[in-house]
Amino acid sequence: TQLLEQSPQFLSIQEGENLTVYCNSSSVFSSLQWYRQEPGEGPVLLVTVVTGGEVKKLKRLTFQFGDARKDSSLHITAAQPGDTGLYLCAGEYTGFQKLVFGTGTRLLVSP
Amino acid sequence: GAVVSQHPSWVICKSGTSVKIECRSLDFQATTMFWYRQFPKQSLMLMATSNEGSKATYEQGVEKDKFLINHASLTLSTLTVTSAHPEDSSFYICSARERRNTDTQYFGPGTRLTVL
Repeated sequence: TQLLEQSPQFLSIQEGENLTVYCNSSSVFSSLQWYRQEPGEGPVLLVTVVTGGEVKKLKRLTFQFGDARKDSSLHITAAQPGDTGLYLCAGEYTGFQKLVFGTGTRLLVSP
Repeated sequence: GAVVSQHPSWVICKSGTSVKIECRSLDFQATTMFWYRQFPKQSLMLMATSNEGSKATYEQGVEKDKFLINHASLTLSTLTVTSAHPEDSSFYICSARERRNTDTQYFGPGTRLTVL
């Protein structure tokens, strides 16, 4: 059972557009991570957020952790074809080492 | 940065045979390793947590007798799919937590298993 729901499931946009991916749960997480995965490869960590309300920026990517630490968002500004991939959020519960992955958002950025 | 490797990167086997997948942390010691399974166009599902020198902890619904996990050293964990069937065909990914930094999981490149 997936405890983290991501929306949208699939997004197809043109280069230069902005987009936001949401990651929602009814559970509270001690930390939340965002990954990007390309076909046939393992996921690559983009960012970890740990404090409620925290905002982190990575060039054109902005990550936000909800105040209650139950949800998160990823905003991409001026998307590029190189941003194409599967974006996954993953939450970690306090005291547990394992990650629970979200349902995933598949992004396609066309030139 | 920390590197995790998997071997083989892909494998094709006949139904009923067993397949072993290795997960190695190349430049760090990993006290905990995790095994995930990912079906096409789906997310990662945790199968089991493997701690060095102890028995693996399996997630609900994962058959421990079918998916044998051995974490014999701080740099190696193996997943053996026993009596594989076509429905076991999937992308298997491992990750490892560094002993000194337990906040980050480093993921391997994955192993594509196809059972004919």
